Amino acid sequence: GAVVSQHPSWVICKSGTSVKIECRSLDFQATTMFWYRQFPKQSLMLMATSNEGSKATYEQGVEKDKFLINHASLTLSTLTVTSAHPEDSSFYICSARWSGNRLEQYFGPGTRLTVT
Amino acid sequence: LAKTTQPISMDSYEGQEVNITCSHNNIATNDYITWYQQFPSQGPRFIIQGYKTKVTNEVASLFIPADRKSSTLSLPRVSLSDTAVYYCLVGLLVSSNTGKLIFGQGTTLQVKP
Repeated sequence: GAVVSQHPSWVICKSGTSVKIECRSLDFQATTMFWYRQFPKQSLMLMATSNEGSKATYEQGVEKDKFLINHASLTLSTLTVTSAHPEDSSFYICSARWSGNRLEQYFGPGTRLTVT
Repeated sequence: LAKTTQPISMDSYEGQEVNITCSHNNIATNDYITWYQQFPSQGPRFIIQGYKTKVTNEVASLFIPADRKSSTLSLPRVSLSDTAVYYCLVGLLVSSNTGKLIFGQGTTLQVKP
């Protein structure tokens, strides 16, 4: 089946620094990728939709200047958390929509971000 | 996107069949129903998807009545490893739609020995 990877799986950074998270579709081309955030004991919250070669579309309330998304190729999207603060500590999950099957999304394993 | 309502939690015992029902009264004609499973600190995993009637795969069955205003995920003979959060999602995943999924609160299934 389709596999989506994320790197790193966990990261600890200091407040004020930036962190980049990569999302890769390993065996298929993903025209669209999505980024979610999940706090403990809560559901996934969609942050943005990323289309290859174009600007990301952010959900209401998500700061686009703080969460920079780049989708440079059909297999890679990156999320950069800029000037991270402790409240940005969360579980970040990406998903990829297979261009060959519009009915399914495949999720990455997630990245645990802790800002100290 | 249609809003979904699921029970917050359910308990079961190993070997039993578990049925989780999801209400989606505002489902649109072109909407599909998709169920995902999520373990702690992992990304969601696709379980099953359907449009109407019944769909079955090696993992579960999905029952959708004629009015499509609800759906039931059926897990046969659960084991401890089925303890997870189960999400029901309804959305337009075809044509020009971006395919974005909006997750509801999900159902936490606890399987006991």
